[in-house]
Amino acid sequence: QKEVEQNSGPLSVPEGAIASLNCTYSDRGSQSFFWYRQYSGKSPELIMFIYSNGDKEDGRFTAQLNKASQYVSLLIRDSQPSDSATYLCAVTDTGFQKLVFGTGTRLLVSP
Amino acid sequence: GAGVSQSPSNKVTEKGKDVELRCDPISGHTALYWYRQSLGQGLEFLIYFQGNSAPDKSGLPSDRFSAERTGGSVSTLTIQRTQQEDSAVYLCASSLGDFSYEQYFGPGTRLTVT
Repeated sequence: QKEVEQNSGPLSVPEGAIASLNCTYSDRGSQSFFWYRQYSGKSPELIMFIYSNGDKEDGRFTAQLNKASQYVSLLIRDSQPSDSATYLCAVTDTGFQKLVFGTGTRLLVSP
Repeated sequence: GAGVSQSPSNKVTEKGKDVELRCDPISGHTALYWYRQSLGQGLEFLIYFQGNSAPDKSGLPSDRFSAERTGGSVSTLTIQRTQQEDSAVYLCASSLGDFSYEQYFGPGTRLTVT
């Protein structure tokens, strides 16, 4: 059973702080890693993807990948109340096609 | 440009009826995926299309579920003899394919079986 594990939270951070979201995966063959943001009642929105070990930065978001440890993380700098949402970690299966999702971490950013 | 579109946005049906859900992917995207999300549950893969072919149907939960894609574009997910456990949000996603794996989701169809 290929699994993606996330802490369900909620993760509470004050406005302006760094939010750190973590994810582990079981399939060593996974090659592509994604972070989606999902607001309540809405569909998932792709915010970051990373394919190589290391860090990838896009605006206030940084994705970090460590394939040896089977670990992916998302850092959100200068967190805003509008960042309050559920963040879903997803990895492709060995065939590079379907996404396997974690159950998500709920982030609450307080003003 | 236009994103993934799905219709209907909401569907209420009686147990035992058949339903059809439609997905129109982003123009030029060759890969199309169906997922479902039950209340409080994670996203569950159903089926993947590359062009009009479905190389991975492993997520379809029973033979009551089927899907097709025509013209390499629009896809229809059909659920026959609906059951209450089929109630969920059905999400469609598309990607460019050809070694581009980023999937973009549509707004979903909320299915309620009474």
